[in-house]
Amino acid sequence: DAKTTQPPSMDCAEGRAANLPCNHSTISGNEYVYWYRQIHSQGPQYIIHGLKNNETNEMASLIITEDRKSSTLILPHATLRDTAVYYCIVRTNTDKLIFGTGTRLQVFP
Amino acid sequence: DSGVTQTPKHLITATGQRVTLRCSPRSGDLSVYWYQQSLDQGLQFLIQYYNGEERAKGNILERFSAQQFPDLHSELNLSSLELGDSALYFCASSPLAGAYNEQFFGPGTRLTVL
Repeated sequence: DAKTTQPPSMDCAEGRAANLPCNHSTISGNEYVYWYRQIHSQGPQYIIHGLKNNETNEMASLIITEDRKSSTLILPHATLRDTAVYYCIVRTNTDKLIFGTGTRLQVFP
Repeated sequence: DSGVTQTPKHLITATGQRVTLRCSPRSGDLSVYWYQQSLDQGLQFLIQYYNGEERAKGNILERFSAQQFPDLHSELNLSSLELGDSALYFCASSPLAGAYNEQFFGPGTRLTVL
């Protein structure tokens, strides 16, 4: 699986958009970008995934650059409950998830 | 609530002992995955079962074993425990096998080896 690079930590004011970047410069054409988050020591929670096109669901939006070498997860209106570690994962045709170190997002009042 | 249940929530035991962690997947999910999260190694994939059969193996120690039963629940057995086995152990499930299935994680079992 392609490796990903994420900033170790970010801050965001409550109510503002949180934009979490991820670099995956070695991604291959058939590899998807997945985002999970882990709140405190709870089980990781699936957020969103995409291949080429931008994706949006009730939780977030995923913007993938045209060359697919980087992506951004957007939480449009961050709340205190969004404070968590966010993992960007590139998946190929394997079942397992390979977690990196993620970005620790702190949402402050 | 993901629908995946794990028992027990906490487990404290001594070095050299053996423990069993249990996982019940979401209703209808055929795949079960086990992950270990320790402070120094992060979240690591251990093993996957699909419909009772082992499908993929990660960095699982020989002292660890797992199985999936006909009712699809799974157990992770850890033996000859060492201090370094102290970690959070997560189970996840997905409807099928394959790379593009979303995995739903349980709340985890916190194992402390003294």
